[in-house]
Amino acid sequence: SSELTQDPAVSVALGQTVRITCQGDSLRSYYASWYQQKPGQAPVLVIYGKNNRPSGIPDRFSGSSSGNTASLTITGAQAEDEADYYCNSRDSSGNLDLVFGGGTKLTVL
Amino acid sequence: QLQLQESGPGLVKPSETLSLTCTVSGGSISSSSYYWGWIRQPPGKGLEWIGSIYYSGSTYYNPSLKSRVTISVDTSKNQFSLKLSSVTAADTAVYYCARHFDWLLLEEGTDYWGQGTLVTVSS
Repeated sequence: SSELTQDPAVSVALGQTVRITCQGDSLRSYYASWYQQKPGQAPVLVIYGKNNRPSGIPDRFSGSSSGNTASLTITGAQAEDEADYYCNSRDSSGNLDLVFGGGTKLTVL
Repeated sequence: QLQLQESGPGLVKPSETLSLTCTVSGGSISSSSYYWGWIRQPPGKGLEWIGSIYYSGSTYYNPSLKSRVTISVDTSKNQFSLKLSSVTAADTAVYYCARHFDWLLLEEGTDYWGQGTLVTVSS
C-alpha cells in the first residue's frame, strides 16, 4: 500500500483544465514531485518543489500544495498529455524513505 | 546529455539473486550534487522505490526490501549496481536506474531515468 493516495483515473476534455491530486501526511512537511509516464516509456519529471518545471516541460503544467494535498494542474490539456501521472515524496514515518503514489491515468477526451 | 543504461539478465530463477548494473555516461557519478537510485514497476502496476546511493557509498533502502537489497557504486567505472536476493515471481518488474537531485533538500526530484529493463522471475 502507498502512503500517498491518488485517484486511479481522471478524464479531461481537450483544451480544458484538469487537476490531479496526491494526498498524504508527509505532504504537510515535504513537497511532491510529479512524473508523467507514457506506455512503454520511462517516467519524465514534470514538476518538482514548490512549482518548478524542468527544461522542456510546457508551462501548461503547474504544481501546488495545501495541507496534506499536492496537486498537478494541466491548463489547456493536449492529446499528448494522456498518460499516467505519479506523485513522489518522503514517507511520514521519519525514515525519509521515498514513496510514490499509486498513479493516476489521465484520459484526454 | 546525461544517459543511464541498465544491463543484466532478463530472466532470473526463483530463490536466486537478481543483479543489475547502471552505467552513467555524459556526466560523473562522483558529483556531490546527486544520489543514484533504483526504481521498479511490476507489469501494469505503479512505481516502487528500491533504494539509492551516494558516490561515497552512503545508502538508503526501502524498508520493505531492505533485508534483500544491496546497492553499490563503482566510481572508476561510473556505474552503480543492484542486487536483490531470494527473488520470487513478485519481483518480476521493469527496473529503472535514475538520478536524484537535491536529495533530502526542500525541492528534490528525479530528473534522469534509464530506459528500464524487464526482469522476469521464472523457472
